[in-house]
Amino acid sequence: GAGVSQSPRYKVAKRGQDVALRCDPISGHVSLFWYQQALGQGPEFLTYFQNEAQLDKSGLPSDRFFAERPEGSVSTLKIQRTQQEDSAVYLCASSLDYRPNSPLHFGNGTRLTVT
Amino acid sequence: GENVEQHPSTLSVQEGDSAVIKCTYSDSASNYFPWYKQELGKRPQLIIDIRSNVGEKKDQRIAVTLNKTAKHFSLHITETQPEDSAVYFCASPSTGGGNKLTFGTGTQLKVEL
Repeated sequence: GAGVSQSPRYKVAKRGQDVALRCDPISGHVSLFWYQQALGQGPEFLTYFQNEAQLDKSGLPSDRFFAERPEGSVSTLKIQRTQQEDSAVYLCASSLDYRPNSPLHFGNGTRLTVT
Repeated sequence: GENVEQHPSTLSVQEGDSAVIKCTYSDSASNYFPWYKQELGKRPQLIIDIRSNVGEKKDQRIAVTLNKTAKHFSLHITETQPEDSAVYFCASPSTGGGNKLTFGTGTQLKVEL
């Protein structure tokens, strides 16, 4: 079946612009995560949804970052007034259920470059 | 929070040799330890995982060992092939519950012909 799909694949934004990144998780997956991956680093947790509920947003670096998953499937990560330090790959991942050991399935990510 | 350290950062081996990557973690309550492989420009993919009720798990040329007392776990790849070249990340559940993961900083493995 289809895996986790993210769009756009690449995004170039001028500093100060708003961007919206989309994630289509695997159908039926309860849990959805957003991670940020800087060049040469491991993914870092941003936020977590269980169905439509945002249960953890402790990793969002500032109030310019906002995520939603209104119907418990597709999710959008929005970054307002982008800064150069926001340049990174944004990875979405989903898992079948809420258990801690439920394997994560990642999308290919959106590479954001802020100029 | 959970701290995961990964070594080495780069590893170069000859084709056919073995490769070992090690990770340490800080939260003694952690009970799930996955390994992800990420090829250049692609998504991280789960290659093997281990739960704390076992000490070793194998899947063909890949194995993971866990030492809960010392709080470290290792990835072993035998008979390495060029297609094994990638960045490998270990991970451990983050402190505070939930199923978010803390990742290591990655190991760039290069298998040379």
